[in-house]
Amino acid sequence: KAGVTQTPRYLIKTRGQQVTLSCSPISGHRSVSWYQQTPGQGLQFLFEYFSETQRNKGNFPGRFSGRQFSNSRSEMNVSTLELGDSALYLCASSLARTGSYEQYFGPGTRLTVT
Amino acid sequence: TQLLEQSPQFLSIQEGENLTVYCNSSSVFSSLQWYRQEPGEGPVLLVTVVTGGEVKKLKRLTFQFGDARKDSSLHITAAQPGDTGLYLCAGWVTGGGNKLTFGTGTQLKVEL
Repeated sequence: KAGVTQTPRYLIKTRGQQVTLSCSPISGHRSVSWYQQTPGQGLQFLFEYFSETQRNKGNFPGRFSGRQFSNSRSEMNVSTLELGDSALYLCASSLARTGSYEQYFGPGTRLTVT
Repeated sequence: TQLLEQSPQFLSIQEGENLTVYCNSSSVFSSLQWYRQEPGEGPVLLVTVVTGGEVKKLKRLTFQFGDARKDSSLHITAAQPGDTGLYLCAGWVTGGGNKLTFGTGTQLKVEL
């Protein structure tokens, strides 16, 4: 079974631009969560989607948004990029949306904002 | 406020040594996981512990969940260079839905 895939793997943007990242979950997984990882803040939860609906949201500004499609694939968008948005963005999928289900992470998208 | 504090933050040891990483919180977790992450990759799940007091062994790795489900430890016996990586604990706060809270991380380097 194929793992979680994320595209692109690397991205360089300039301040003020917007960016869209893509995540394809493991086949059969319906829950997709997004995380931001930085050296200073570690891994922080952005949001979770299940059945095309955002079910949970972390403490991030409205510039960060996402969506999920009927095939469970998910995208996240960051508008008006800031230097502090430079990070590894990780997507994780799981079978369902309760805490007892394990999450499987993709390799991440490394975003650099200049 | 970081819900899960890990210690130590950095650990550099020689091959063959033993080590313990701690994950502590003031919150109760319905379950707790340990991950290992290598540079440029996403975290890989090592184990999930669910019951207070539970001990799980994975080859040379031993994981323990505290009785009160507020803390956990990871013990590695006879560390090898292949154990090098960032170790992360993560848990679901009771009633927190599917929001996984990660610890601060422990960077382990095992040298020959």
